[in-house]
Amino acid sequence: QKEVEQNSGPLSVPEGAIASLNCTYSDRVSQSFFWYRQYSGKSPELIMSIYSNGDKEDGRFTAQLNKASQYVSLLIRDSQPSDSATYLCAVNLSGGTSYGKLTFGQGTILTVHP
Amino acid sequence: DADVTQTPRNRITKTGKRIMLECSQTKGHDRMYWYRQDPGLGLRLIYYSFDVKDINKGEISDGYSVSRQAQAKFSLSLESAIPNQTALYFCATSDSGQGASHEQYFGPGTRLTVT
Repeated sequence: QKEVEQNSGPLSVPEGAIASLNCTYSDRVSQSFFWYRQYSGKSPELIMSIYSNGDKEDGRFTAQLNKASQYVSLLIRDSQPSDSATYLCAVNLSGGTSYGKLTFGQGTILTVHP
Repeated sequence: DADVTQTPRNRITKTGKRIMLECSQTKGHDRMYWYRQDPGLGLRLIYYSFDVKDINKGEISDGYSVSRQAQAKFSLSLESAIPNQTALYFCATSDSGQGASHEQYFGPGTRLTVT
């Protein structure tokens, strides 16, 4: 089992719809969770971080964390064609020597069509 | 100006050559990382450094070495480049201070091709 898993997609949604991106992780003691957006050929850009169970909203983005289910998701409301990118889930898997290191999922390709 | 810079941005080299990729940051972060990205394989950690005197291997360090010349500079070397090291390389930084979020911030990347 991979430590951080994402559905590679591609996920295709119409403009204006809600895009839902999912991520599961293997380590129950993980503390920090991040979503990055990466356009083709560009570097990953941090768009959301979440540390506590529940929802965190920032503009059109909502991150949801459920530690009991080891599940983190990203919702993008009112999706725009400019949201078309690969979305990377990253998890700080555990403490000790791994503290501060992130493990990345393989990414979900999102396409928003007009 | 960009907070995390990488040089060169693109490089084509031949098998067996030594090559160095450089990373500099003005974010004042103490932690720095080198990743490579290959299609279908995601981001994989090569080396990381939590301060100038602390350097650690990541999951794919074979064939690579690093140098942390200062808090702001972290270089990645390929001693003898081989074609399967063709990839996109990213440097990243994070902060470990009190209350630090451990968010990592990435440089623009270096596209390396080994022929």
